[in-house]
Amino acid sequence: NAGVMQNPRHLVRRRGQEARLRCSPMKGHSHVYWYRQLPEEGLKFMVYLQKENIIDESGMPKERFSAEFPKEGPSILRIQQVVRGDSAAYFCASSLQENIQYFGAGTRLSVL
Amino acid sequence: DAKTTQPPSMDCAEGRAANLPCNHSTISGNEYVYWYRQIHSQGPQYIIHGLKNNETNEMASLIITEDRKSSTLILPHATLRDTAVYYCIVLNTGGFKTIFGAGTRLFVKA
Repeated sequence: NAGVMQNPRHLVRRRGQEARLRCSPMKGHSHVYWYRQLPEEGLKFMVYLQKENIIDESGMPKERFSAEFPKEGPSILRIQQVVRGDSAAYFCASSLQENIQYFGAGTRLSVL
Repeated sequence: DAKTTQPPSMDCAEGRAANLPCNHSTISGNEYVYWYRQIHSQGPQYIIHGLKNNETNEMASLIITEDRKSSTLILPHATLRDTAVYYCIVLNTGGFKTIFGAGTRLFVKA
């Protein structure tokens, strides 16, 4: 009974490159959430998606960041033209309905 | 969603009960109290949640005061592996934007 799977676990990018973070929700879960955690800070909500729909993206930076959750395949968080300030841990969570969220192990993005 | 207040840190001796308090004085009638924890560098882990009755599961117990303005998470026999940051979160029915505050950093000592 696999939990929420995120990959890669660690991602190193140079400034200006693109970062693609993947999240496969728990089996049967159709709700996906992305959070960002800067070093020594709490988690910040970024976006909430259901299959093929963005429900709430109020926590997403207006530029360079996008997220999708296609009908088939994992949810993708995409960061274009990364900058050093994007270095953080990015956590994905999934839920059966809008209640208990189960989190993945996270992707640690380092921007050189 | 109502705000919560938690002490920044607490110590607990291994094998003893850890009692983590949380104030949520502005909680409304349809808001639940959720507890998560984050062990260093890992993703947050759901622990327990409740509305107004006390709840218990294999991990912990949740005691909610009658006026619902505060609650206590109880780890009955803390182990070293329970050292983590514990987050108390208030969330509406159907709410999803889980707001993680600073939480309580629990140190379990041998």
